[in-house]
Amino acid sequence: EIVMTQSPATLSVSPGERATLSCRASQSISSNLVWYQQKPGQAPRVLMYGASTRATGIPARFSGSGSGTEFTLTISSLQSEDFAVYYCQQYNDWPVFGQGTKLEIK
Amino acid sequence: QVQLQESGPGLVKPSQTLSLTCTVSGGSISSNYNYWSWIRQPAGKGLEWIGRISTSGSTNYNPSLKSRVTISVDASKNQFSLKLSSVTAADTAFYYCARETTYRFDYYGMDVWGQGTTVTVSS
Repeated sequence: EIVMTQSPATLSVSPGERATLSCRASQSISSNLVWYQQKPGQAPRVLMYGASTRATGIPARFSGSGSGTEFTLTISSLQSEDFAVYYCQQYNDWPVFGQGTKLEIK
Repeated sequence: QVQLQESGPGLVKPSQTLSLTCTVSGGSISSNYNYWSWIRQPAGKGLEWIGRISTSGSTNYNPSLKSRVTISVDASKNQFSLKLSSVTAADTAFYYCARETTYRFDYYGMDVWGQGTTVTVSS
């Protein structure tokens, strides 16, 4: 079974600054990775699929990169609405989520 | 626009079977490009994929839950359902249904979610 590990568990960043979130797979998953954002009291929503393709309506300040086992989600200039929990999910075989990174205001 | 809505008991006794239904509106559950999934989230914790069903009825389950999970689809009602047997307090969580979309070689993720429902396992 593929294990997804996200780091850090919590990231404190000031508005306007850049945030970099990491996701690591226990074995190669090519580019079969999705990033989600979840705000309190809401269901998750898709940010990126195929590791680096923004979903419809997602602002350009969000970008994804990586392939194989190492992936990164970058938010170039944090807005107030970006503070949330972020999950990666692989779909190489069946869906497996990482444990999440909480992005909080510094 | 496709919408999903979970329904079912909010309280289940230990050792009994948890049963939830997800109703799909604004679109057909019979699309060849979709899987229909269940995901759960214990309070304050992360997401756990439970399993999914395709339009053809083929299923995939989380190996850690496989022995207790059954997912089925009723296309005539545009619904799919989850049954989780022999529940314990560890199954207490917020349960979501979601649509996964694939097209050709692209996987778009779980792109439509229900609002979720709380299930508590307690006597």
